[in-house]
Amino acid sequence: GNSVTQMEGPVTLSEEAFLTINCTYTATGYPSLFWYVQYPGEGLQLLLKATKADDKGSNKGFEATYRKETTSFHLEKGSVQVSDSAVYFCALSDNGSNYKLTFGKGTLLTVNP
Amino acid sequence: DTGVSQDPRHKITKRGQNVTFRCDPISEHNRLYWYRQTLGQGPEFLTYFQNEAQLEKSRLLSDRFSAERPKGSFSTLEIQRTEQGDSAMYLCASSLTQGVRTNEKLFFGSGTQLSVL
Repeated sequence: GNSVTQMEGPVTLSEEAFLTINCTYTATGYPSLFWYVQYPGEGLQLLLKATKADDKGSNKGFEATYRKETTSFHLEKGSVQVSDSAVYFCALSDNGSNYKLTFGKGTLLTVNP
Repeated sequence: DTGVSQDPRHKITKRGQNVTFRCDPISEHNRLYWYRQTLGQGPEFLTYFQNEAQLEKSRLLSDRFSAERPKGSFSTLEIQRTEQGDSAMYLCASSLTQGVRTNEKLFFGSGTQLSVL
């Protein structure tokens, strides 16, 4: 079956530090890959996505590249801010639709001033 | 755009009781989804509707669970004879799907946190 493994947290960084959250997946076929973010007290929000190999998703300074050869979709940001503190979820869908998502366990990021 | 709203935010119940949660999707969205998230885990897909039709149910959705979307707008998720293992955050999401190509963006609500004592 499908699965997503992401870096266990919590991750604590200082403002302006470089962020990497690792994500690897197991899936049949050619899944679409996503990063969702959950800010305190809010619902999950789509941060970025990539639908095929070598695609790069980007949003709000975050980037992730779909690497089929390593089955990875690592999230990166060059300079984090306090407002980036949240839980980040890597996810995939493998059925041509975005609705039936398989999520990783989530990584809590705390950015200190 | 008021977003996806869920009610209640929190529910505490005793084992064996029935509970019902409500989800109001974004008004023009035709698809509605239910997910469940247990502590330390990512959300898991439970079921989804296109308009009023329930099109898919996960094996996680035992016969004690029933979901409805009677008029293709709001949805309810009922759990009968609750068990302690039902304790989780129940998330609702909605999306607008047009045509055969499905590339819609899901909008999630803040969830209903269920605690079964």
